[in-house]
Amino acid sequence: KQEVTQIPAALSVPEGENLVLNCSFTDSAIYNLQWFRQDPGKGLTSLLLIQSSQREQTSGRLNASLDKSSGRSTLYIAASQPGDSATYLCAVNGGGFKTIFGAGTRLFVKA
Amino acid sequence: NAGVTQTPKFQVLKTGQSMTLQCAQDMNHNSMYWYRQDPGMGLRLIYYSASEGTTDKGEVPNGYNVSRLNKREFSLRLESAAPSQTSVYFCASSEEWADGYTFGSGTRLTVV
Repeated sequence: KQEVTQIPAALSVPEGENLVLNCSFTDSAIYNLQWFRQDPGKGLTSLLLIQSSQREQTSGRLNASLDKSSGRSTLYIAASQPGDSATYLCAVNGGGFKTIFGAGTRLFVKA
Repeated sequence: NAGVTQTPKFQVLKTGQSMTLQCAQDMNHNSMYWYRQDPGMGLRLIYYSASEGTTDKGEVPNGYNVSRLNKREFSLRLESAAPSQTSVYFCASSEEWADGYTFGSGTRLTVV
């Protein structure tokens, strides 16, 4: 059974710092992996979708990488800003309709 | 460009009451999903609909029923609410199972 883990559960960094959020999964037979952002009391906003054949995806200051063999994905945020403060979730699709979500990393960027 | 719309945004129920959560998407997506989110846990799939006219159980279907009314709408019904169903409920849609998901803004449900 696929398990998705995000460590740490919470992270606090000063503004301007480059940071990496981690996502680990136990079954490397995945179809795609998606990173989301969730603001308090809000829904999930899709950030990046990486297909299993891809190594990385980029959008603005965000870069997501995927290493299936090691069961890991990272979300790199460059030059962090207070507006980046949110919970970041990764979701793994192993094929079919049952995507598995991690519990998220709560990020706080201090001004 | 509304995306996925959920109603209501907040609801308080007494144990044993019933209610229906509504979800509609305007992106012509084939697949729709209902998730619940509890503190410290990832989102867990309740039910999904691969396409209009079909529904299937997810990881935590007990105590819930769903209806895929048409391609746009997918509702979630609690027949007899229990305190364990206190949660935030999210509806999502995707063009097909292999595509990225778009989420609604959620319904915060409290059962007392």
